[in-house]
Amino acid sequence: QLQLQESGPGLVKPSETLSLTCTVSGGSISSSGYYWGWIRQPPGKGLEWIVTVYSSGSTYYNPSLKSRVAISADTPKNQFSLKLTSLTAADTAVYYCARTAWGFGNYYFDSWGQGTLVTVSS
Amino acid sequence: QSLLTQPPSASGTPGQRVTISCSGNSSNIASNYVYWYQRLPGTAPNLLLYRNTQRPSGVPDRFSGSKSGTSASLAISGLRSGDEADYYCAAWDDSLSGPVFGGGTKLTVL
Repeated sequence: QLQLQESGPGLVKPSETLSLTCTVSGGSISSSGYYWGWIRQPPGKGLEWIVTVYSSGSTYYNPSLKSRVAISADTPKNQFSLKLTSLTAADTAVYYCARTAWGFGNYYFDSWGQGTLVTVSS
Repeated sequence: QSLLTQPPSASGTPGQRVTISCSGNSSNIASNYVYWYQRLPGTAPNLLLYRNTQRPSGVPDRFSGSKSGTSASLAISGLRSGDEADYYCAAWDDSLSGPVFGGGTKLTVL
């Protein structure tokens, strides 16, 4: 059974960079046709898609976050990672990683991690 | 503010049929597939419906979806207490070139 687990700091200071890693077990991030992504949910608000990556390195960004986001995939470790720079309080959210169907009209997240709460505060 | 609009809450009694609406525009719902996610208390979101009406393996047929124009709906029949959850709609948005979500609807089983 596919499992995803986010890891990273729970508290980050304003203006700093957030680094989160998603470790995948029960399946390979190199599996043909599957993409991998990050989604977040600020307290009391809806879900927001951040970024999607394929194991080959192809990436797709939410335009509103693109200038501050980087994503990478480490196939030997079966992990993919998110970096978000220039943090503000508005970046406080639960961050989820997810396996993603991407393309040919299909854009959905069919397996999610449990999520990790990141608070931006001094 | 979410690009897809959902009512913040919905409720029903056991056995009842409940519908949750999701409103968008020509850039998202009208021209792309709609997806629905269920988030049970304390858990991560789970894909409930894809391609407007399709159920992943394991999702009971009590859950169904429909789409018309710029709106979509999720229907839950034979409501159970275990259906209490937050429900989110989503769709690809051609203007954003990415998926967008609704703000979520909290379903209460009375």
